[in-house]
Amino acid sequence: GDSVTQMEGPVTLSEEAFLTINCTYTATGYPSLFWYVQYPGEGLQLLLKATKADDKGSNKGFEATYRKETTSFHLEKGSVQVSDSAVYFCALTLPRGDDKIIFGKGTRLHILP
Amino acid sequence: DVKVTQSSRYLVKRTGEKVFLECVQDMDHENMFWYRQDPGLGLRLIYFSYDVKMKEKGDIPEGYSVSREKKERFSLILESASTNQTSMYLCASSGTSGRETQYFGPGTRLLVL
Repeated sequence: GDSVTQMEGPVTLSEEAFLTINCTYTATGYPSLFWYVQYPGEGLQLLLKATKADDKGSNKGFEATYRKETTSFHLEKGSVQVSDSAVYFCALTLPRGDDKIIFGKGTRLHILP
Repeated sequence: DVKVTQSSRYLVKRTGEKVFLECVQDMDHENMFWYRQDPGLGLRLIYFSYDVKMKEKGDIPEGYSVSREKKERFSLILESASTNQTSMYLCASSGTSGRETQYFGPGTRLLVL
């Protein structure tokens, strides 16, 4: 079935370090891909998305490129800040009419000052 | 901006009580969703709704029911709360293109004693 697999956390980095959070997916058809972020005590909010192969989503210094050949959508940021500490969820939707999102289990990120 | 609100941020209930969690969205979205979020398990879909008075079971509907009498409001009902329903509950809404972003409320943290 359709699924999303992302690297397990927690991930701990120092401020200004380079970040990669890996995400791969299994899906029939042509999914849209998303990264959501959940800051402490809050609901999820969309960070970025890509709707077709080779698209790059970007926001707040984060980037992810839709790679159909490797079925991946890895999240990257060149220089993380303490305020980036949060849980990050990779997700996909399929245009099959039910509009459900399939989420990965989430990766907790800790940034140390 | 899309706004999804949930009736309570924190709730404490006793085993056997009937519990209502309310969710309201202001963007005229057709789709609404209820998830629960537990450590190590990520987000799991409980129920969703495509339209007024329509509902579909998600992955873990047991012990829950829902109501959607108006387009903007989607209620989650715990008929007889149990301690294993202690969790964070997240509501979301989206449009119907099949590639839509879901917009989340801030969550309700429910403790069942």
